[in-house]
Amino acid sequence: QQQVKQSPQSLIVQKGGISIINCAYENTAFDYFPWYQQFPGKGPALLIAIRPDVSEKKEGRFTISFNKSAKQFSLHIMDSQPGDSATYFCGGAGNNRKLIWGLGTSLAVNP
Amino acid sequence: DAGVIQSPRHEVTEMGQEVTLRCKPISGHDYLFWYRQTMMRGLELLIYFNNNVPIDDSGMPEDRFSAKMPNASFSTLKIQPSEPRDSAVYFCASSLSAGGWEQYFGPGTRLTVT
Repeated sequence: QQQVKQSPQSLIVQKGGISIINCAYENTAFDYFPWYQQFPGKGPALLIAIRPDVSEKKEGRFTISFNKSAKQFSLHIMDSQPGDSATYFCGGAGNNRKLIWGLGTSLAVNP
Repeated sequence: DAGVIQSPRHEVTEMGQEVTLRCKPISGHDYLFWYRQTMMRGLELLIYFNNNVPIDDSGMPEDRFSAKMPNASFSTLKIQPSEPRDSAVYFCASSLSAGGWEQYFGPGTRLTVT
């Protein structure tokens, strides 16, 4: 039973373009929504996270947009760079810290 | 800070053998998580501990899997007997309850069961 649905499964973007990855969740008890970045052969690392009391959070080129009523959130990567090529995971968690993960999006940024 | 340490990094074993994966969390962290990652199922939480106590083991696939955390600086995940379908990358992660919700992942153990 997948409670967090992530799309697309893979994404190819040209250097300088905008990468957009979407996630939808089912559990209304979730109040923490992170995005993790994973490079081949490495463990995932936190990129950016949001709580549902705000609709947007920006850190450098990375922005989370959050729509509580639609139970959806997305990651926008502005000015995408080849170094951003990685797998991105979204997640959701309630107050028990148990993260439920999306299946991941493989992003390739062409130079 | 050395980060989360996992050993071994790679393990190849035959079906039916016992496998033990090890994890040393970041010093001072009070949460420890064990995950399994496969292409088909993505990242799956197997079990997590708070202050060395198992909180939720509902993700442990079956009785062949067991996890322990005898002290704050060490945890093991054991598979006995191992099966080919257990082949995956196993990650350990830790976090600090007073430091937010970020989980710090180790480099993983790639397990291959033949």
